Amino acid sequence: GQNIDQPTEMTATEGAIVQINCTYQTSGFNGLFWYQQHAGEAPTFLSYNVLDGLEEKGRFSSFLSRSKGYSYLLLKELQMKDSASYLCAVRGDGGATNKLIFGTGTLLAVQP
Amino acid sequence: DTGVSQNPRHKITKRGQNVTFRCDPISEHNRLYWYRQTLGQGPEFLTYFQNEAQLEKSRLLSDRFSAERPKGSFSTLEIQRTEQGDSAMYLCASSLEGGGNEAFFGQGTRLTVV
Repeated sequence: GQNIDQPTEMTATEGAIVQINCTYQTSGFNGLFWYQQHAGEAPTFLSYNVLDGLEEKGRFSSFLSRSKGYSYLLLKELQMKDSASYLCAVRGDGGATNKLIFGTGTLLAVQP
Repeated sequence: DTGVSQNPRHKITKRGQNVTFRCDPISEHNRLYWYRQTLGQGPEFLTYFQNEAQLEKSRLLSDRFSAERPKGSFSTLEIQRTEQGDSAMYLCASSLEGGGNEAFFGQGTRLTVV
């Protein structure tokens, strides 16, 4: 089976740092993606990890440990506009299983 | 390129009617995906094309759902005999071939079955 778990909701303060965790169990692994989705809008790509370690992109960083089936998204210097749902998604093996499987998303509320 | 385009943006239909949605992917993308999303949930995989070939279809998808991508460009998703439980946002995404290529999403079609 395939299962992706992430917290349902988180709250953080403007200017602070927040870490959103994601654990996964999938039949294959060909990369992990993080997407941001504002209410009523389409998901937009944030980051991609396929090897263990940290990928940094401006205020956003993403970490992957394949042996632990674990990833996190780190958001620094939080801004009010970062209030959104953050979706963790895993891509399966090659061939016919290239679909992205999404978690339920973590709704982040940034407070002043 | 203006990105992934979906039409219509909103659709209200009576229970039992058929509906069809269209997705125009980014032109050079050979992969196209359909997802369904309900409030508070992540996108749920429906089906996936590589060029014109439908490579996978979710077991959650009943026989009332069918998707096509006849020329490997745009795609249509048809739902026959709609039910209230079909009310959701239907998202289309496209990507290049290759595991590291991210999927780009359209704005979605919001279906309401009354």
